[in-house]
Amino acid sequence: AQSVTQLGSHVSVSEGALVLLRCNYSSSVPPYLFWYVQYPNQGLQLLLKYTTGATLVKGINGFEAEFKKSETSFHLTKPSAHMSDAAEYFCAVSVGIQGAQKLVFGQGTRLTINP
Amino acid sequence: GAVVSQHPSRVICKSGTSVKIECRSLDFQATTMFWYRQFPKQSLMLMATSNEGSKATYEQGVEKDKFLINHASLTLSTLTVTSAHPEDSSFYICSAWDQTGASTDTQYFGPGTRLTVL
Repeated sequence: AQSVTQLGSHVSVSEGALVLLRCNYSSSVPPYLFWYVQYPNQGLQLLLKYTTGATLVKGINGFEAEFKKSETSFHLTKPSAHMSDAAEYFCAVSVGIQGAQKLVFGQGTRLTINP
Repeated sequence: GAVVSQHPSRVICKSGTSVKIECRSLDFQATTMFWYRQFPKQSLMLMATSNEGSKATYEQGVEKDKFLINHASLTLSTLTVTSAHPEDSSFYICSAWDQTGASTDTQYFGPGTRLTVL
């Protein structure tokens, strides 16, 4: 069965510093991996995704993530944090065939940006 | 891009009443939609998969008679919380697949509905 583990329920960085949010997955088949962001009292917005091909994927708002099969990881990074990045971030892996896939979410990481 | 809406965004009801939440795909058709539940400071828990024209598939532990799902058209799925109780208070989020668009492997999420049962 697929699963996702996000290391660190809460990450705090200074404005302008590197953001690193960790995600490890478990999957018996080649995974589709996703990062979503959630602002308070809102739904989820897709940041980026990995399906096939290039292992370094770039997303919106300057975020990127690298799929490392050997490490079963899909960590999210951003070179320079901005105050507007403060939110909850969820890593997810898809389960099932394309077009009818369930998503299994990690526990979430709350990112706080210090001025 | 693909947009999913939910209505209402917030609802407060008395214990014992039923509440209906709508999920609409605004600019695409979705034969499959998903309903999630999120408790404060927790992750999303999949409740059920909503299939257009057929019965929903519920996850283990989710009461299908309490959480009624209807997917009557390719753009609308509804979740009805029947005989709601305070423990049903939660944030309910739907998502939908854009199965004919450029990103057929991506779920698009609605903004969520905050349900409070008094």
